[in-house]
Amino acid sequence: DAGVTQSPTHLIKTRGQHVTLRCSPISGHKSVSWYQQVLGQGPQFIFQYYEKEERGRGNFPDRFSARQFPNYSSELNVNALLLGDSALYLCASSLVTGGLQPQHFGDGTRLSIL
Amino acid sequence: AQSVTQPDIHITVSEGASLELRCNYSYGATPYLFWYVQSPGQGLQLLLKYFSGDTLVQGIKGFEAEFKRSQSSFNLRKPSVHWSDAAEYFCAVGITGNQFYFGTGTSLTVIP
Repeated sequence: DAGVTQSPTHLIKTRGQHVTLRCSPISGHKSVSWYQQVLGQGPQFIFQYYEKEERGRGNFPDRFSARQFPNYSSELNVNALLLGDSALYLCASSLVTGGLQPQHFGDGTRLSIL
Repeated sequence: AQSVTQPDIHITVSEGASLELRCNYSYGATPYLFWYVQSPGQGLQLLLKYFSGDTLVQGIKGFEAEFKRSQSSFNLRKPSVHWSDAAEYFCAVGITGNQFYFGTGTSLTVIP
């Protein structure tokens, strides 16, 4: 079975632009979470979606938004990009929501802001 | 508030030597604890998890971790390190709602 897939793998944008990152969960997984990993740091929780509804939100500004589609894939949108948004964006999926379920991570999208 | 501390930023061990990576957590309820490994340019791979029961848990690649409630710790161990174990290791706490809080990571270098 395919793992969590993310696209694109790399992306270069300039300040003020908008970006959309995509994630396809493992087949059968209904929960998708997004994380931002700045170089040298651990992943920081951004959003969690389950059954197309937002179930959790980390401490990120409103420039960050996400949605989940009926097939459980997800998009992360970031508006008005700042230099500080340069990071590896990780998507993780799990069967259901709840802390009992380990998350399975994709390889991430490397976003560079110039 | 929940938090995870990994006090060692970088550790260097010789191949074949034993390894212990430290993790301390702060969380008011029963924690769900995880260790993940990340190779350069890649996502995170789950090594092992603790939910309840036996405080010594076994994981993949010969890793184990011990949960000590009195010390709020969940240290990762391996009796004999292989060169392929060189990577970044992250400890994480999972809370209700499947939100995970990660430590800042420990970078492991293995020397021949």
